[in-house]
Amino acid sequence: AQSVAQPEDQVNVAEGNPLTVKCTYSVSGNPYLFWYVQYPNRGLQFLLKYITGDNLVKGSYGFEAEFNKSQTSFHLKKPSALVSDSALYFCAVRDRGNNRLAFGKGNQVVVIP
Amino acid sequence: DTGVSQNPRHKITKRGQNVTFRCDPISEHNRLYWYRQTLGQGPEFLTYFQNEAQLEKSRLLSDRFSAERPKGSFSTLEIQRTEQGDSAMYLCASSPLTGGNWVTGELFFGEGSRLTVL
Repeated sequence: AQSVAQPEDQVNVAEGNPLTVKCTYSVSGNPYLFWYVQYPNRGLQFLLKYITGDNLVKGSYGFEAEFNKSQTSFHLKKPSALVSDSALYFCAVRDRGNNRLAFGKGNQVVVIP
Repeated sequence: DTGVSQNPRHKITKRGQNVTFRCDPISEHNRLYWYRQTLGQGPEFLTYFQNEAQLEKSRLLSDRFSAERPKGSFSTLEIQRTEQGDSAMYLCASSPLTGGNWVTGELFFGEGSRLTVL
């Protein structure tokens, strides 16, 4: 079975400060890992993915994420948060033998001006 | 707009009624997925199609739910005899089939169809 844990319900950060959204995963084999963002009344938008290779992946809007196999983590980061980054962020995982994505419950990010 | 399109965006119905949602995927995307999202939760997989073939169904998809993709293009999700527990956002997503084997492609989501069962 594949699953994702996003331990924090909400992340509050001041504008300009670093933003981190935590994600740990569980799969039976090697994972494909994804981050999506959801703005109010909008569909999920793809941010970035880890497939193989460099553990640090860069994505849209200045976001990046680091794959850590030993800790089974894939935390999302942004060096300097913007108010416009306030949204719901979902981590997702897919086992390489599976055809479906499993999503975490999401983290609400609030960037305070 | 060439993204994934879902209709209707919002449906309010009475318990026991049938509802149908439609999804138009990105053109030439072979795979189409349905997910359900309830408040405070992430999307939960319901089913997916490769072209017109329904290849996998979740245990969440009870007998009251049926999905079709008759010509391998748009898809419909029908819920019969709706219950209040069916109230949720129903998300459709599509992805391309790359190189004969979907390896790494991300999903492209529509904006969802919100169902409210009174």
